[in-house]
Amino acid sequence: DQQVKQNSPSLSVQEGRISILNCDYTNSMFDYFLWYKKYPAEGPTFLISISSIKDKNEDGRFTVFLNKSAKHLSLHIVPSQPGDSAVYFCAASGPQGGSEKLVFGKGTKLTVNP
Amino acid sequence: IAGITQAPTSQILAAGRRMTLRCTQDMRHNAMYWYRQDLGLGLRLIHYSNTAGTTGKGEVPDGYSVSRANTDDFPLTLASAVPSQTSVYFCASRGDKGFGYTFGSGTRLTVV
Repeated sequence: DQQVKQNSPSLSVQEGRISILNCDYTNSMFDYFLWYKKYPAEGPTFLISISSIKDKNEDGRFTVFLNKSAKHLSLHIVPSQPGDSAVYFCAASGPQGGSEKLVFGKGTKLTVNP
Repeated sequence: IAGITQAPTSQILAAGRRMTLRCTQDMRHNAMYWYRQDLGLGLRLIHYSNTAGTTGKGEVPDGYSVSRANTDDFPLTLASAVPSQTSVYFCASRGDKGFGYTFGSGTRLTVV
């Protein structure tokens, strides 16, 4: 049973436009959410996070929105740049059997076209 | 350079052979993790360790074992490799503060 779902395997946008990546979760115990970015042949790198006590967190061109009632979060990239082309993983953290572990979604491959 | 070092970078392995993937961190993080990444399946947790001397099973532990003799090293062993273990393997660690993980660059393993 997938606890963190990224239902769009891929997304293609034009340079300068907004990219919106979506993520849904099922476990109401999750209380911290993160986005990771992964380029080919590299490990995932942390991008942005949000605590469940907030509904928005912004860092430059990246904004994450959290809707707890809908168990949904989204990552907005504005404006999108070709260098943003990567796989984006949504991850959630919360009490799991006495230890904190991240649960990852399957990822969304973003392609930003020049 | 602070971070996680994984070795080897890539490996082609004959089925049935034993293989140990190495992971070393220099950040003194207590928690460490092994994930495998497969197309369409994302990152799946194999094993984890909350602190030196302890380990736990993740989502897909079968066919893999780990040990955590000290804080810095967290090797992953495939006792008898099978083709379904062909994957990219990532080691990660987490400090006591915050929830984010630091990942290594990965080991691309092909079992033939």
